Amino acid sequence: AQKITQTQPGMFVQEKEAVTLDCTYDTSDPSYGLFWYKQPSSGEMIFLIYQGSYDQQNATEGRYSLNFQKARKSANLVISASQLGDSAMYFCAMREGSRNYGQNFVFGPGTRLSVLP
Amino acid sequence: NAGVMQNPRHLVRRRGQEARLRCSPMKGHSHVYWYRQLPEEGLKFMVYLQKENIIDESGMPKERFSAEFPKEGPSILRIQQVVRGDSAAYFCASSPPVTRDNNEQFFGPGTRLTVL
Repeated sequence: AQKITQTQPGMFVQEKEAVTLDCTYDTSDPSYGLFWYKQPSSGEMIFLIYQGSYDQQNATEGRYSLNFQKARKSANLVISASQLGDSAMYFCAMREGSRNYGQNFVFGPGTRLSVLP
Repeated sequence: NAGVMQNPRHLVRRRGQEARLRCSPMKGHSHVYWYRQLPEEGLKFMVYLQKENIIDESGMPKERFSAEFPKEGPSILRIQQVVRGDSAAYFCASSPPVTRDNNEQFFGPGTRLTVL
C-alpha cells in the first residue's frame, strides 16, 4: 500500500488565486512528521512547510499553509495568491517514528502545478 | 553556510562503466541520505548513512550499488557496470544529529546520471 498518495498528477490555477494540493498518508505510528517540497524545472528540492503529528495548529509559512486533518490522514498544501514562479512539481513526504530518529522520508508521486497568467 | 553540495551535476556514462556520485553534507550535519528519482516520479529512498556507518540500506538494489560516508571527505554513491535503467536523478540530503522527529532534511541539487 502507498504510504503517501497525491491524487492530482497535474493542477492548473490562475495567477493570484489560491490552490489546494492534496496529500493523504498511511501510518500506524502515532508520531510522524509531514513535509512539503517544491521542485522547479531546475530540479532542486526546496523545503516549504512541516507539520508534526502532535501539533495542535495547522502549520503556516508565508503564502503556504497546511490543512492538517489527522483523523482523515490528510495534509493538504494550500498556496494563496499564486504566482507564476509557483509553477513546479510539489511533493508531499512523511517521516515516521519518534523512536526511529533519522529515518528516511517517504515521498508521494508529486503534483505538477501550472500557474496561468 | 554552504548548503549540501553534490558533484558532478551531470554525469554521462556508457553501459558497463562505473558511476561515482559525491555528496558533501551541510556543515555540522552527520547524517546523509541518498534518494533516486526516475523521470516523472517521486524520490525513492536508497540509503541512510552516518560517518563510517550504514544505518539503513533497505532501498539499495542488491547488486552493483554501494555507498559510503568515510570519516573524512564526502559521501560516495557508487554504481558499477551501469545499465540504461540507472539513468535518473540522484539526490543527497543531510540532517544534523537527530534529536527530534521533525528534523528537516536539506537536499542537494542532485546529480543527473545518463547512461548511453
